[in-house]
Amino acid sequence: EVQLVESGGGLVQPGGSLRLSCAASGFTVSYNYLSWVRQAPGKGLEWVSVIYTGGDTYYADSVKGRFTISRDNSKNTLYLQMNSLRGEDTAVYYCAREIAATGTFDYWGQGTLVTVSS
Amino acid sequence: EIVLTQSPGTLSLSPGERATLSCRASQSVSSSYLAWYQQKSGQAPRLLIYGASSRATGIPDRFSGSGSGTDFALTISRLEPEDFAVYYCQQYGSSPSYTFGQGTKLEIK
Repeated sequence: EVQLVESGGGLVQPGGSLRLSCAASGFTVSYNYLSWVRQAPGKGLEWVSVIYTGGDTYYADSVKGRFTISRDNSKNTLYLQMNSLRGEDTAVYYCAREIAATGTFDYWGQGTLVTVSS
Repeated sequence: EIVLTQSPGTLSLSPGERATLSCRASQSVSSSYLAWYQQKSGQAPRLLIYGASSRATGIPDRFSGSGSGTDFALTISRLEPEDFAVYYCQQYGSSPSYTFGQGTKLEIK
C-alpha cells in the first residue's frame, strides 16, 4: 500500500528555517516524481516544488532561492528545506506522488502545518 | 503561465441531483494533463479524474470528466451525501508548471 507521511511542521518566526520530511512506503522515491504542494488556511492549492527521478528539481517562483527539495534514497524519504520563511508561507504542506510525466498527483500525504509568526 | 478559472465558486444542490463544475483555462491545455481532485474538510486532496476523462482507481462511475482545449467539466450524475466537498481542477505544463484552479465548493442545499 502506498503511503506518504509528512512531519516537521510547526511554529517558526519570520526569517527562520524549517525542514519538512515525507516518509514514503509502498513505492521507491527514487523511481518517482515527487512534489510538495501547500494550502494556506482557507485557500486553494499551490504547487511548491518537484524532484524528478534523475534528480532535477524545480520550484514555484514564490519559493525559488529560499526552499530546497531533496530526497534520501536510503531512507525512502522526501524533504523540503525552507529558509527565510515569511508569513505568506503559512500553510499545510502536502507531499504528493506524480504519475510519471503526467503532472497528475495520485497519492498525497495527510499534510503538516507550518505557521510563520512572531 | 496558464490560469485556471473554476465556476461557480459555490454550487448548492440536493442529494440525487446532477452537478456540473466548470474549469476554464487561459490558454489551450493538453487533455492528457488535466486532472480533477476532491478535498473534504481537514483532509488531503483525492484524485478523481486524470487525462481530462479517465477515472482514478476506486472512483465511482457517477463521476465523469469531459472537455478539451480551454474548457473542461466535471460532472457528478447523482449526488451522494459524501460528494459534498471542494473540487479543484489542475493542469501540468512545460517549465514545468503545475497550476490549480481556485476550487468550487459543492454544498448541500
